[in-house]
Formats: sequence, C-alpha cells, structure tokens
Amino acid sequence: GAVVSQHPSRVICKSGTSVKIECRSLDFQATTMFWYRQFPKQSLMLMATSNEGSKATYEQGVEKDKFLINHASLTLSTLTVTSAHPEDSSFYICSARDGGRVADTQYFGPGTRLTVL
Amino acid sequence: TQLLEQSPQFLSIQEGENLTVYCNSSSVFSSLQWYRQEPGEGPVLLVTVVTGGEVKKLKRLTFQFGDARKDSSLHITAAQPGDTGLYLCAGSTDSWGKLQFGAGTQVVVTP
Repeated sequence: GAVVSQHPSRVICKSGTSVKIECRSLDFQATTMFWYRQFPKQSLMLMATSNEGSKATYEQGVEKDKFLINHASLTLSTLTVTSAHPEDSSFYICSARDGGRVADTQYFGPGTRLTVL
Repeated sequence: TQLLEQSPQFLSIQEGENLTVYCNSSSVFSSLQWYRQEPGEGPVLLVTVVTGGEVKKLKRLTFQFGDARKDSSLHITAAQPGDTGLYLCAGSTDSWGKLQFGAGTQVVVTP
C-alpha cells in the first residue's frame, strides 16, 4: 500500500515551453500533497504544499506564477512549470500525506527529471 | 539554515561493518521519518517514530528517537552493498505535516 506515482518520469523540452507533471496517490486519499525539487547531491527542497480544493501554499522564494499547482481531487495533484528555462532543469518529486496512517507520514513519488534545453 | 543537522555527510565502509547516522535539532518534532533514496528515484520511507525514547527495528536497521523528540539515530548492523544510498531524516513541526529535511548522509558499502 501507500503508492505514489508520477508522470512523466523524464521530460526534455525547449526553453519557453510549459511542462505539466502529474502526481497520483494510487491506493489512498491524500488531502495534502507536497512538491519538492532536488539538485544533484543535495537534499530535497520543499516548493509548495497542495491541499485538495484550495490554493497551494508556496515556500519563500518560489514563484507561484511560474510553478502552477492544482490539486483537483483527493488522488491527483499537478505541477506545471510555465515558460521553462534551463535553470528550471531539476529533479521534481511529489509526496502525499496519508492521514489514515501515522499522522505525518509522507510517501514519495519516483520523481520527474526535467531537462530544459 | 538547516533545521535538522545530519552527520556524517558521507560514510564509506566495508561490507559487514556497522554504521550510525545521526540527526539532531534544537526543535521538538511531533514525528520524525527516515528515508533512503537511490539515484534518480524518490525517497523510500523506512520508518516513522513518534514517541520520545522509541526504538524501532527493521531487520538490520535500528532507529531511535530521543527522549526529548529533538534527535534521532539510525544504526545499521553488518552493512551490505544493498544498503548503499542517501539516507535522509525529516521531521514535522506543523499541523499540515510539512517536513523539514536534513542534508542527507551518503552511505557507500563496498563488497
């Protein structure tokens, strides 16, 4: 149980295009999902908290107009990187909070490698 | 500033040796998780500890949560090459369950 999927796993795009990444909780309902980015050899950096049916809460320094987050249902959150540039290239990881288990347990997706040319 | 300090940053040992990774903070956490991450993949949850003084065992891995819920340790007995990976501790301080991550400890176990 507690499986989180991400799609796509890898994407290469041209500068200026927008990229959408999906995060799904497959066997539980997630009222809260989180989006992280990770640079090589570094830890995870929280970008935003996504709550079902409400606006996402962004961490300081994260541009909300650039990283659009939609949490349309209890099993799906999407992150759209708008007008992507090479500096947006990174490993993006989502996680989902399973409120049915130990309160603060998060389960992570396998990540999406974004490369902007 | 990292809320959770992990040490050491890097650990290279031979198969069969033991190792301990530490996670320390001046803040109190309602719970603390340990994850292992391999290159190009998402972190995989190993354990969640919630009670001060709690000790949990997962095969050759032993996790301990400090009495004051400010620190934790991960001990691996008789390490194997399959234990190689980035070990991350993460603690929750707010009602949303938002996690604060340590910088990670890269463990390499050579045959």
